[in-house]
Amino acid sequence: GQQLNQSPQSMFIQEGEDVSMNCTSSSIFNTWLWYKQDPGEGPVLLIALYKAGELTSNGRLTAQFGITRKDSFLNISASIPSDVGIYFCAGQLRGNTPLVFGKGTRLSVIA
Amino acid sequence: DAGVTQSPTHLIKTRGQHVTLRCSPISGHKSVSWYQQVLGQGPQFIFQYYEKEERGRGNFPDRFSARQFPNYSSELNVNALLLGDSALYLCASNPPGANVLTFGAGSRLTVL
Repeated sequence: GQQLNQSPQSMFIQEGEDVSMNCTSSSIFNTWLWYKQDPGEGPVLLIALYKAGELTSNGRLTAQFGITRKDSFLNISASIPSDVGIYFCAGQLRGNTPLVFGKGTRLSVIA
Repeated sequence: DAGVTQSPTHLIKTRGQHVTLRCSPISGHKSVSWYQQVLGQGPQFIFQYYEKEERGRGNFPDRFSARQFPNYSSELNVNALLLGDSALYLCASNPPGANVLTFGAGSRLTVL
């Protein structure tokens, strides 16, 4: 089946630092999504990307849909303690196909 | 407005038993999807239902089944439970024409 390679697996950063994580695939996706999951909760949508090259921001978060349509990245600027959690990328091959998720990047923020 | 609601939140079963998990989508959402999330992994697609019909099925054995009711709520059933079925089971819904999933908090199943 389809697989998304998400990196890094985990990262420890100081409060106020910027964070970057990415997701790659061997397949071309039409949609890329980024979710965050807190302990004991379901994933919550952060950003949705629909066009190759698209750059979208949501507050301190910025994500881009790669030109090749096989990758995406998520940046978090000026991290704060509540950014702690697991970040998942998800891709959709085409309309009405199920989302394929990466294994997640676990972010820890040291105050 | 209520989000996606799932029940029960936690449950413990023993091998060989059967389990039923329930999900109510966001009002107005007619599509429901089920995902399995094993500890340390991303969610894996199990089923998608739209207007009470199965629209997609992931790579899961026939022990897994689901259905959707006229009010768009859904049930996931797992028979003959195995230890490896221990996971967080997530339900998600999406509105017509949009592929962005909204997830519930999940049902955490432990099989002993």
